[in-house]
Amino acid sequence: GAGVSQSPSNKVTEKGKDVELRCDPISGHTALYWYRQSLGQGLEFLIYFQGNSAPDKSGLPSDRFSAERTGGSVSTLTIQRTQQEDSAVYLCASSLTGGSYEQYFGPGTRLTVT
Amino acid sequence: LAKTTQPISMDSYEGQEVNITCSHNNIATNDYITWYQQFPSQGPRFIIQGYKTKVTNEVASLFIPADRKSSTLSLPRVSLSDTAVYYCLVVLTGTASKLTFGTGTRLQVTL
Repeated sequence: GAGVSQSPSNKVTEKGKDVELRCDPISGHTALYWYRQSLGQGLEFLIYFQGNSAPDKSGLPSDRFSAERTGGSVSTLTIQRTQQEDSAVYLCASSLTGGSYEQYFGPGTRLTVT
Repeated sequence: LAKTTQPISMDSYEGQEVNITCSHNNIATNDYITWYQQFPSQGPRFIIQGYKTKVTNEVASLFIPADRKSSTLSLPRVSLSDTAVYYCLVVLTGTASKLTFGTGTRLQVTL
């Protein structure tokens, strides 16, 4: 079956512009996560959605970052007024249930802010 | 959250067994040890998970001593395609909403 998909695969934007990154999780997975990975670094947790519960936003680095998940499926991560330090690969993952150690990751969106 | 420590990098020849050790001195009673693999330009992929003693699947084995303060991921007869970054994570299953990744171990396999 289809895995987690993300779009776009690459995004180059100018400093100060807003960007939207999209994630399509595996069908039937109730939990969805966003992480970001800077060059040569490990993954940094951003936000977690589980079913209809309020999302865990504890990893969002600033109020320029927000995310939503519509209909319990597709998710969009929005970064407003992008800064150069936002340049990274943004990874989305989903799991069958919340609290699962086995998460399925998408290929990521490489964001470059010039 | 239990902190993990693993080597930054390892080198191996094709066909050898590779053992990557991770220390997690502050692991809690209900924590599980989980390993992920990440190839360049891809998201991480779950490899194996265990609580104690030994776990084996088609990809790897995981050895966990009785005190659970460390664990060893064993990759039998590695090939060039096993070149990747390997992450050791300690996860409280049941509340594992977010995974905490360190910088991992970069394994380079050569001929």
